Amino acid sequence: KQEVTQIPAALSVPEGENLVLNCSFTDSAIYNLQWFRQDPGKGLTSLLLIQSSQREQTSGRLNASLDKSSGRSTLYIAASQPGDSATYLCAVRNTDKLIFGTGTRLQVFP
Amino acid sequence: GAGVSQSPSNKVTEKGKDVELRCDPISGHTALYWYRQRLGQGLEFLIYFQGNSAPDKSGLPSDRFSAERTGESVSTLTIQRTQQEDSAVYLCASSREAGGTGELFFGEGSRLTVL
Repeated sequence: KQEVTQIPAALSVPEGENLVLNCSFTDSAIYNLQWFRQDPGKGLTSLLLIQSSQREQTSGRLNASLDKSSGRSTLYIAASQPGDSATYLCAVRNTDKLIFGTGTRLQVFP
Repeated sequence: GAGVSQSPSNKVTEKGKDVELRCDPISGHTALYWYRQRLGQGLEFLIYFQGNSAPDKSGLPSDRFSAERTGESVSTLTIQRTQQEDSAVYLCASSREAGGTGELFFGEGSRLTVL
């Protein structure tokens, strides 16, 4: 059974810092991995999708890497801003459904 | 439409009543998913539709939960005889491709409160 773990559970940093959020999964036979952002009381916004054949994806200040063999992904956020404050979720797909981690709650203070 | 649309955004109901939640996926997306998110917890998979194939109902928590989808359009999640433990945000997502490669796009969710 696929299990997804995210570390840390919560993170509070001053504006401008570079951050790394971690995601690990137990079954490496995945189709893809997706990172989402969730603001309080809102749905999920897709940030990056990495297919199993890819090593990384970049979008603006975000960079996600995937090491399938070791069951790990990292989300790197450069030059963090208060607007980045949210919960970040990773999810892996090795069947038709996405299995989610419990998220990292990020707070960036001015 | 431009994104996944869900209604109602908020629903307060009394224990024992039935509720219906609606999801309108992105046009052209063949796959549709329902997830549940209880307060402070992660997302639980409920059910998955792919075109005209039989849905994957493996995540439905009890027989009080059911869902329908007509073709590749709107889906309705029905909860009968609601219980307080059903209080959660119900999230719908759609994806263009089936079989695991597609990106999922989520709606804003329907927040259900059972008194």
